[in-house]
Amino acid sequence: DAKTTQPTSMDCAEGRAANLPCNHSTISGNEYVYWYRQIHSQGPQYIIHGLKNNETNEMASLIITEDRKSSTLILPHATLRDTAVYYCIVRVAQDDKIIFGKGTRLHILP
Amino acid sequence: DAMVIQNPRYQVTQFGKPVTLSCSQTLNHNVMYWYQQKSSQAPKLLFHYYDKDFNNEADTPDNFQSRRPNTSFCFLDIRSPGLGDAAMYLCATTHRGGADEKLFFGSGTQLSVL
Repeated sequence: DAKTTQPTSMDCAEGRAANLPCNHSTISGNEYVYWYRQIHSQGPQYIIHGLKNNETNEMASLIITEDRKSSTLILPHATLRDTAVYYCIVRVAQDDKIIFGKGTRLHILP
Repeated sequence: DAMVIQNPRYQVTQFGKPVTLSCSQTLNHNVMYWYQQKSSQAPKLLFHYYDKDFNNEADTPDNFQSRRPNTSFCFLDIRSPGLGDAAMYLCATTHRGGADEKLFFGSGTQLSVL
């Protein structure tokens, strides 16, 4: 079973920051948090991952709480192309079994 | 450039007629996965390979089998497709021991069963 809980859906206005929460209250010390997104009819795409420090790349920022029980994916300036299902996954490095939860369906509103 | 390639993009088969879906990768990754995704659902892990070591999920039906003849290729065989097997089938790869172990997905094969 997935170890994460995410809201089923969210709306965000175009140009605004989209903040997607993920709860992983049972995360263990060696588990990473990964985010993927899936645009309709495509395979999921990697966005970002982290262990305990906040991370930023060209796509997004990942904020992990100090107790690591939750995290937030931030898309700083959402565009219509960011409309997708966003999946938060926790996994141990070198654990090949990767289970997807239900994800959050993000709608970017024009 | 496509790094995980799934062919065909769309596959139609008849009820009970065996079908094989293929996946190839140019990344030289040691782990390959097959996921099944039905409409409006999350991808569901069917099985995966670490090199030649096969790992089957407990709830994957016996009707589904897989082969990995070499590092680059992996096949999903559905021996007797039923109507409930109509879905998108996603292949993914990662490299255990790599820098970030992120997943790379193919575009998927949409399977229809008539």
